[in-house]
Amino acid sequence: QSALTQPASVSGSPGQSITISCTGTSSDIGGYNYVSWYQQHPGKAPKLMILDVSDRPSGVSNRFSGSKSGNTASLNISGLQTEDEADYYCSSFTSSSAYVLFGGGTKLTVL
Amino acid sequence: EVQLVQSGAEVKKPGESLRISCQGSGYTFSTYWIAWVRQMPGKQLEWMGTVYPANSNSRYSPAFQGHVTISADRSTSTAYLQWTTLKASDTAMYYCARLGVPGALDPTFDFWGQGTLVTVSS
Repeated sequence: QSALTQPASVSGSPGQSITISCTGTSSDIGGYNYVSWYQQHPGKAPKLMILDVSDRPSGVSNRFSGSKSGNTASLNISGLQTEDEADYYCSSFTSSSAYVLFGGGTKLTVL
Repeated sequence: EVQLVQSGAEVKKPGESLRISCQGSGYTFSTYWIAWVRQMPGKQLEWMGTVYPANSNSRYSPAFQGHVTISADRSTSTAYLQWTTLKASDTAMYYCARLGVPGALDPTFDFWGQGTLVTVSS
């Protein structure tokens, strides 16, 4: 099963907003509202930032938001801060036997 | 506070066996599925499989089925990932993670262990 497709890198300046896309198929992103986003700083474990397409876990800044249209999910980060610089991974439930697919990851650089 | 604490880094030779662990605390361990996720050097996350500690029911990704065994001991609140025959290609960081809804195979990993680095080299 192929991974979900994310851009390899995105960048932005402090205070700006950026969007990271995550494209799948009707068997995963398009068919279910089980899209999550994870933040991973170098050498650290992933951290859940968004679940169920657009819900934020307790403690996650409201600068992070998620959405979905068709087979593509998006993570938006507003008011970029230097500590947002990290890798971001999307994931989705899939109806295949793979159960969960991850994206290839996007490196966010805050210039 | 929910915590998942994994065992330390391992260096093994091809053909050797290995079991790494993940101990949960701060919640009722037996009622949440635990997943194992692989991250090869510089690569993406990959779901390997999941175990339900209450009854040891497990489910595997087709990519890992038959190569690893996932188990859990609810008496010690510990989940395990085991290999009988390691390969160099098993070199990776391995994370355990809790699924977010008690009793359900909810595909959201809400808490993660710190990771266990496994290096397989002759």
